[in-house]
Amino acid sequence: KQEVTQIPAALSVPEGENLVLNCSFTDSAIYNLQWFRQDPGKGLTSLLLIQSSQREQTSGRLNASLDKSSGRSTLYIAASQPGDSATYLCAVRREGTYKYIFGTGTRLKVLA
Amino acid sequence: DTAVSQTPKYLVTQMGNDKSIKCEQNLGHDTMYWYKQDSKKFLKIMFSYNNKELIINETVPNRFSPKSPDKAHLNLHINSLELGDSAVYFCASSQARANTEAFFGQGTRLTVV
Repeated sequence: KQEVTQIPAALSVPEGENLVLNCSFTDSAIYNLQWFRQDPGKGLTSLLLIQSSQREQTSGRLNASLDKSSGRSTLYIAASQPGDSATYLCAVRREGTYKYIFGTGTRLKVLA
Repeated sequence: DTAVSQTPKYLVTQMGNDKSIKCEQNLGHDTMYWYKQDSKKFLKIMFSYNNKELIINETVPNRFSPKSPDKAHLNLHINSLELGDSAVYFCASSQARANTEAFFGQGTRLTVV
């Protein structure tokens, strides 16, 4: 059974800091891993998708890495801004399924 | 132009009532999903349809009945609502092939009183 865990559960940092969010999964048989952000009371916004064959993906100040064999992904946010405050979720899609399994989320607060 | 849209955004209803949530996607995807987000913000899959066929049913009570009239729509009907059904319900869509993103709607906050 695939389990996805995110550490830390909550994080508060001053503006301008670089930070790393972690996602770990127990079954390495995945098609891909996707990072989302969720603002309070809102839906999920897709940030980055990493295929199982890829090591990293970048979009602006965001960089996501994937180490499939060890069951880990990290989301690196450079020069954090108050607008980055949100809950960040990772989700893996298991091989042979249509299912996306979500992590427990990291609630990020960037202080001005 | 919204990719995955759900209606209504908020739904407040009494226990025992029957209600529906509608979802439409304009991305041309062949697979659609319903997820439930509980009070602790954990997202759990309920159903998935591929080309209008049910492919995932995660032991959801049979008071919940999804219906997919076509590939672009997946509606969720809930009978005899209970207090424990209060949650945010998200619709999502993707392509069945492995290398594609999933897109989510803005959610429907259901409150059963």
